[in-house]
Amino acid sequence: AQSVTQPDIHITVSEGASLELRCNYSYGATPYLFWYVQSPGQGLQLLLKYFSGDTLVQGIKGFEAEFKRSQSSFNLRKPSVHWSDAAEYFCAVGKTGANNLFFGTGTRLTVIP
Amino acid sequence: DTGVSQNPRHKITKRGQNVTFRCDPISEHNRLYWYRQTLGQGPEFLTYFQNEAQLEKSRLLSDRFSAERPKGSFSTLEIQRTEQGDSAMYLCASSLGDAGFYGYTFGSGTRLTVV
Repeated sequence: AQSVTQPDIHITVSEGASLELRCNYSYGATPYLFWYVQSPGQGLQLLLKYFSGDTLVQGIKGFEAEFKRSQSSFNLRKPSVHWSDAAEYFCAVGKTGANNLFFGTGTRLTVIP
Repeated sequence: DTGVSQNPRHKITKRGQNVTFRCDPISEHNRLYWYRQTLGQGPEFLTYFQNEAQLEKSRLLSDRFSAERPKGSFSTLEIQRTEQGDSAMYLCASSLGDAGFYGYTFGSGTRLTVV
């Protein structure tokens, strides 16, 4: 069965500091992996996705993520966080032919000045 | 590309009433999905349409829930005899093809409060 674990419920970082949000997945097949961001009261916006090739994926807003098959991880990183990055971040997994994605429970990011 | 549009943004209803939500996907996207998101949780899959055909339904979609997508364009999600446990954000998403490859474009959601 598919599952996605985001071990950190809430993370607080200072503006300008680096960020890493963790995501671990359990999937029988080669997964497609996604990171979404959700601002309060809004829908989810796609930050980046991995489906093959280079394991370091670049996304929008300066985010990147690295797929590590040996660790079943797809962690999201940003070298310097901006106050506008405060939001909820969701990792999701899918596969070819699947009709839906499975989402983690999210990590809430707070950015302090 | 006007994005995925959902209406209404907010709905407050009394327990036992029926409610209907609407989703207008991106026009080129033939696949449409409904998800439910409760506080502190990630989105949970409810149902999926390819064109006008409803191809998959989650166990979360009880008999009180029904979704339609007439003519393969907009979709509606109806909840009959609402219960307090139905209070959640209902998200609609669409995709150009295989969700595992393309990912979703989400709407802003409809927040339902059952009092």
